[in-house]
Parts: sequence; structure tokens; C-alpha cells
Amino acid sequence: GESVGLHLPTLSVQEGDNSIINCAYSNSASDYFIWYKQESGKGPQFIIDIRSNMDKRQGQRVTVLLNKTVKHLSLQIAATQPGDSAVYFCAEEDLSNQFYFGTGTSLTVIP
Amino acid sequence: EPEVTQTPSHQVTQMGQEVILRCVPISNHLYFYWYRQILGQKVEFLVSFYNNEISEKSEIFDDQFSVERPDGSNFTLKIRSTKLEDSAMYFCASSDEGKGQPQHFGDGTRLSIL
Repeated sequence: GESVGLHLPTLSVQEGDNSIINCAYSNSASDYFIWYKQESGKGPQFIIDIRSNMDKRQGQRVTVLLNKTVKHLSLQIAATQPGDSAVYFCAEEDLSNQFYFGTGTSLTVIP
Repeated sequence: EPEVTQTPSHQVTQMGQEVILRCVPISNHLYFYWYRQILGQKVEFLVSFYNNEISEKSEIFDDQFSVERPDGSNFTLKIRSTKLEDSAMYFCASSDEGKGQPQHFGDGTRLSIL
């Protein structure tokens, strides 16, 4: 089955610094990927997505990079703010429209 | 901004009892999903639903589980005879199109089985 995992379970950054959260996936047939943010007591919140025909996609303060060669996904958050503190999940979609989530990385922003 | 709403936020049920978790997906969405998240673990796919029938289901979604869209706005997950291991957060999600589109999640129902 699919395996989506994260390299680091926790990440602490200073406010204003950039954050990079990494994710490895195992299914080379997956063609759609999403980063979700989950705050305590809330459901996963969509941040940004990327399709497999792209290497990079930018949003507001966030960038997702996809390296299909090594099956690696990363989320970059520019000028990290205290409100960015949350658990971040990557998710991959397989051919049958099922999403597989990683374990999550807990991001803590230090004021 | 439209959102997925789930009720109740917390459900406490005795083992062996039936429980129904309710969701109101975003109004113009056509694809509906249920996921669960056991404390400290990954979000796991349970089932997807489109055009009044199940599209996909995982191994977790056994005969104890069922889903229904009883009217034009609600989407429910029923667990017939709850077990202790059913204790988890249950998330409903919806999307306007199926594959290759973001799924928008509700804030979940915390199910506690005693």
C-alpha cells in the first residue's frame, strides 16, 4: 500500500524565519498532492496543492516543491508567523481518488 | 467562505451501541468523504461517496459502517455496534469535483466509546 511519511516530527523556528517541512511518498503513480494544516481541535485546512506535472507551485507565503525522482515533497513557509504554529500533513492521492496522509510535522513558531 | 459542518463535536457512546455522525458538506459539492484519526496517528481514509453510492472504501470500512445522504444537505456515517477501538476523531470532507481536487474538511466529531 501507499506510504506517506515525514522526515521530522517536530520543527521549531523563530518568528520571521522561513520554515521547510518535508515529506516522502512511496507511490510513484500518485499524481496529486496536498499540504494541509491542522490546528488543535480543528480539521485539516487546505494550504496548497500540486499536480505531478509540476515541480513547484507558489501561494501566499507558501511554496510547494515536488521532486518525483526521489518522491519527495516539501512545504516552504516564508516569514513564519505565530499563527503558523500547527501540525502540517502532506497527502497524496492515488489513482482511485483516495488520499493518504502522512503522520504530520508539528511546527512551533518561537516569538 | 463556505465550510463543512459536523455534529456533534463530541459523542460519548457505550460499547455495542449504534452511533450516527452527521455532516453538512459544502452546498455545491458533489463528492463526500469520511476519514478518521485515532489520537496521535495519521488521518485515515474510510469511504468516498458520489451520486448516492459509495465510490471507494478502505479496509477499515467494514460491515459495521454505513453512509447515507438522507436528503439534499446531510451526509451521515453510522457505526452499528461500536467497539472501543472506534474511538477517534471522525472527519467529513467534500469536494466539488472528484479526483485531483482539494477536499475541504469539517472540524470533526470526537467519538469516545466507553
